[in-house]
Amino acid sequence: DQQVKQNSPSLSVQEGRISILNCDYTNSMFDYFLWYKKYPAEGPTFLISISSIKDKNEDGRFTVFLNKSAKHLSLHIVPSQPGDSAVYFCAASLLTGANNLFFGTGTRLTVIP
Amino acid sequence: ETGVTQTPRHLVMGMTNKKSLKCEQHLGHNAMYWYKQSAKKPLELMFVYNFKEQTENNSVPSRFSPECPNSSHLFLHLHTLQPEDSALYLCASSLGGSIDNGYTFGSGTRLTVV
Repeated sequence: DQQVKQNSPSLSVQEGRISILNCDYTNSMFDYFLWYKKYPAEGPTFLISISSIKDKNEDGRFTVFLNKSAKHLSLHIVPSQPGDSAVYFCAASLLTGANNLFFGTGTRLTVIP
Repeated sequence: ETGVTQTPRHLVMGMTNKKSLKCEQHLGHNAMYWYKQSAKKPLELMFVYNFKEQTENNSVPSRFSPECPNSSHLFLHLHTLQPEDSALYLCASSLGGSIDNGYTFGSGTRLTVV
């Protein structure tokens, strides 16, 4: 059973507008969340993270929001740029226990110039 | 060379072949991981090594055999694979198992089993 879900396989946004990528999780024990970005023929690269003790973390154009009661997090990119076109993976972790990141299936973002 | 390097980038092998995937990192990390990414599925953790010791085997079939001779190198030995094993195999590393800044991933090996 998939514990981290990204229900939108793709998203298209105009350059300069906001991109919102969503992620839902089922395990209430997750306490650390990450977003990765993946270009074709490259491995995923770490983008931004958030601890469960926070509800928002911002880094430049990227902001991650966490709603623990809804078991939902989102990544906002504003303004979106063509170079942001990539596949974005949401991941969650249990800080205790085995080293493991549980990944979603990814959302392909296309930013249209 | 910095980062996590995986070789080969692409591999086609028959079901009776034996091959190995290689991963190398020069980041000073001491935890290394193998992940599998199949089409339309999330990344699945296969193996974890901390300080060269295997700490997790995520119910992976024995036709996949990992080896970690030191903290900088990780191998995945493959034998008698099945066509459904065709996937992107990603290596990652981290410092002391910490995920604060995520894992650093290699570019992956695209494996096709024929």
